[in-house]
Parts: sequence; C-alpha cells; structure tokens
Amino acid sequence: GIQVEQSPPDLILQEGANSTLRCNFSDSVNNLQWFHQNPWGQLINLFYIPSGTKQNGRLSATTVATERYSLLYISSSQTTDSGVYFCAVFPLDGQNFVFGPGTRLSVLP
Amino acid sequence: DAGVIQSPRHEVTEMGQEVTLRCKPISGHNSLFWYRQTMMRGLELLIYFNNNVPIDDSGMPEDRFSAKMPNASFSTLKIQPSEPRDSAVYFCASRTSGGANEQFFGPGTRLTVL
Repeated sequence: GIQVEQSPPDLILQEGANSTLRCNFSDSVNNLQWFHQNPWGQLINLFYIPSGTKQNGRLSATTVATERYSLLYISSSQTTDSGVYFCAVFPLDGQNFVFGPGTRLSVLP
Repeated sequence: DAGVIQSPRHEVTEMGQEVTLRCKPISGHNSLFWYRQTMMRGLELLIYFNNNVPIDDSGMPEDRFSAKMPNASFSTLKIQPSEPRDSAVYFCASRTSGGANEQFFGPGTRLTVL
C-alpha cells in the first residue's frame, strides 16, 4: 500500500518563528488533507488540497501531486499552534485516507 | 452544522464491563469511520460504513469489538468485555462517499479501562 512520511517528526520553535512541515507519499493520490491535533486531542481540518496552494491566515499549504509531496507553512507561530500535524492522502486505487505518522510541534513563549 | 458528535467524551470503566461509544455523523454524510488512537500505534482505522453498511472491518482488533449503524444518523462501537489494553481515544469521522471527499472528525471518546 501507499507509504506516507512526514518530516520532521518533532519540531520546537520560539513564538514568532516560521516553519515548514513536509509530507511525502509513495504513490499517486486523489486528494490530500492536513489536520492539526491540538493539545486537547481534537483533530481540526486545516486544508483539503489535492494540488496547488491554499492559504488560511498564517497557514498555507502547497501540494505538488506529480512529485508526490505536500508542504504546510506556518508563519509567525503562536503557542496555540502546538500539537501534532497529520497529513492524510487518498490513494488513486484506494477507498480511504491513509494517515502519516505526524509532526509534533511545540511553540515556546 | 454541529459537526460529528460523539458521546460520551470520557469513559472510565472496569475490566470486564461492556462499553458503548456513540456517534452521530454530519447530516448528509453517508460514510462513517471509527478510529482508535494510542501512543504506541497512532491512529488506526477500525471499521467504516457506506450507506449504513459495514464495508471493511479488518481493523477491528478482535471479536470483543463490534460496530453497528442502524440508520444514517447514528452508529455505535461496542467493546464487550473491555480490557485495560483497550484504553485509547476513539474517534468517529464522516464524509460523503463516492470519492476522496473531505473527512471530518468528532471530538473523540477517551476510554480508560481499569
């Protein structure tokens, strides 16, 4: 089956810093989602992005499906950005999203 | 829309007891998913339904686990008897079927089996 890798596995930032999280996948996909699991455990939808670039406030995401990767940019990070960021891909021949292992982000005040 | 609704949010029970987790998907979504999340194994898909019919239950860990979806707006995940190793956060998610449509998660049920 499709393999999904996320890097880095862990990231510590000072408040105000920028960061880039990466998601690589091993096969063609129909779609891709980014989620944020906050410290209270809730899984929040960030982006639904099969290709191209989307922006939502301080966050933006770019998916290059032909090269099998997606990037999540966080600018001017805040302590509330802490948590785990998951990438989930929907394989062309699949029936469900496949999740990556996540990137754990800690933003320090 | 209220989003995916799960109850209870927290459950503490003793080994051997029956546990029932409940989920109401987003109205109009006809695919429903049950996941389990632990530190050791991450996020695991247990079972999913399309139009109330179970499609793939290969992720259900053992016969102690069962899931039902009697109608389009309600699903249950039951563990009987429960064991300490079942302690985890159980998420329900929903989306419209027929493709790679956006999926939404409920707030989860944190289960502790003593």
